[in-house]
Amino acid sequence: QKEVEQDPGPLSVPEGAIVSLNCTYSNSAFQYFMWYRQYSRKGPELLMYTYSSGNKEDGRFTAQVDKSSKYISLFIRDSQPSDSATYLCAMNEVGSYIPTFGRGTSLIVHP
Amino acid sequence: SAVISQKPSRDICQRGTSLTIQCQVDSQVTMMFWYRQQPGQSLTLIATANQGSEATYESGFVIDKFPISRPNLTFSTLTVSNMSPEDSSIYLCSVEAPGPKSYNEQFFGPGTRLTVL
Repeated sequence: QKEVEQDPGPLSVPEGAIVSLNCTYSNSAFQYFMWYRQYSRKGPELLMYTYSSGNKEDGRFTAQVDKSSKYISLFIRDSQPSDSATYLCAMNEVGSYIPTFGRGTSLIVHP
Repeated sequence: SAVISQKPSRDICQRGTSLTIQCQVDSQVTMMFWYRQQPGQSLTLIATANQGSEATYESGFVIDKFPISRPNLTFSTLTVSNMSPEDSSIYLCSVEAPGPKSYNEQFFGPGTRLTVL
């Protein structure tokens, strides 16, 4: 079992839909949780950063962490074609600067 | 924040040859990281490069195959040696720097897409 599991998709949704992207993990020591967005032929860019459990909102994006279930989610409201990208979850332990990445989920938002 | 450039952006190489990838950052950073991103796989850390010391390699990666240089605080190179088709991948340079989302944000370069025939 991989430390971080993420469905690679692709996930195809119509413009305006609410998108839910998820990751599960097995290492209970993970405390920092990130979501990266990677456009085709570009490097990943940090989208959301959360410490421990709870929700964090930034514009149309909401990150949720449920440590009891070892499950994290990224919600995108009012999805746009420009949101089409690969979304990678990542997480690391306190004191570690090396995150463990999921495989990424490919999202396609069609007009 | 940090802006990272990589050269080359892509290359097609013959097996048995070597390729050196360059990474340039627009600010001084302590640590630089080299990742590999294979199709359908998660980002995998190859090594961490600090200026003035030997790079630290992750399990499964060795210096003879992936020699790294870090001559100053804004530049690093990764060489992929004696290449085989299994080395075909995207290689990404990354740094940690204060950013808009975190005081310790990880920034990535655009990647080098390598194909080995």
